[in-house]
Amino acid sequence: QVQLVQSGAEVKKPGSSVKVSCKASGGTFGSYAISWVRQAPGQGLECMGRIIPIYGTANYPQKFQGRVTITADESTSTAYMELSSLRSEDTAVYYCARDVSMTSPSEAFDIWGQGTMVTVSS
Amino acid sequence: QSALTQPASVSGSPGQSITISCTGTSSDVGGYNYVSWYQQHPGKAPKLMIYEVSNRPSGVSNRFSGSKSGNTASLTISGLQAEDEADYYCSSKRSSNTVVFGGGTNLTVL
Repeated sequence: QVQLVQSGAEVKKPGSSVKVSCKASGGTFGSYAISWVRQAPGQGLECMGRIIPIYGTANYPQKFQGRVTITADESTSTAYMELSSLRSEDTAVYYCARDVSMTSPSEAFDIWGQGTMVTVSS
Repeated sequence: QSALTQPASVSGSPGQSITISCTGTSSDVGGYNYVSWYQQHPGKAPKLMIYEVSNRPSGVSNRFSGSKSGNTASLTISGLQAEDEADYYCSSKRSSNTVVFGGGTNLTVL
């Protein structure tokens, strides 16, 4: 059974950057899209973008273009999400999630990481 | 980008059926059969309940069903149980290979 294990909680200063990792174990990595979804305290879910590791190209919603970079390393079955120019509104739990369909994304996420809390505070 | 529109809360008694709506536009819900539904309990990661409008992942109870008409998708839960009490989110593919979520619906089992 595939599992996604994320890196630990982070506390960052405004204006800095954070990089969160998501390591897959127990199954195929490269052919499934990996997306990043965040959830601010008491708020809803927000998709930040996704990557299909074997293709290497990431897609981002307009809101995050220029501030988010999603990458993947097939050799270690690890995906990364880097968010720059952090502000207090970026305080949230960040999840990685795998698409339910291989190769042709259904934009539905059946396997989720445990979440990484990122706190932005001066 | 605006989120999909869901009711903030719904409630029902054990054994009853409830339906949660999710309204978008022709650029998301109405334009693609890539609508999903997630259940989220407090402090937990979301769990996929429905994908591609009406498909259930393995292991999800057949009490959960999905449908779509025009720009509105719906999640129906039949035979409500106490453990169904949670937040529910819809999502849809939007043009440019992005995904948009609804604002979430809190389900209370009375």
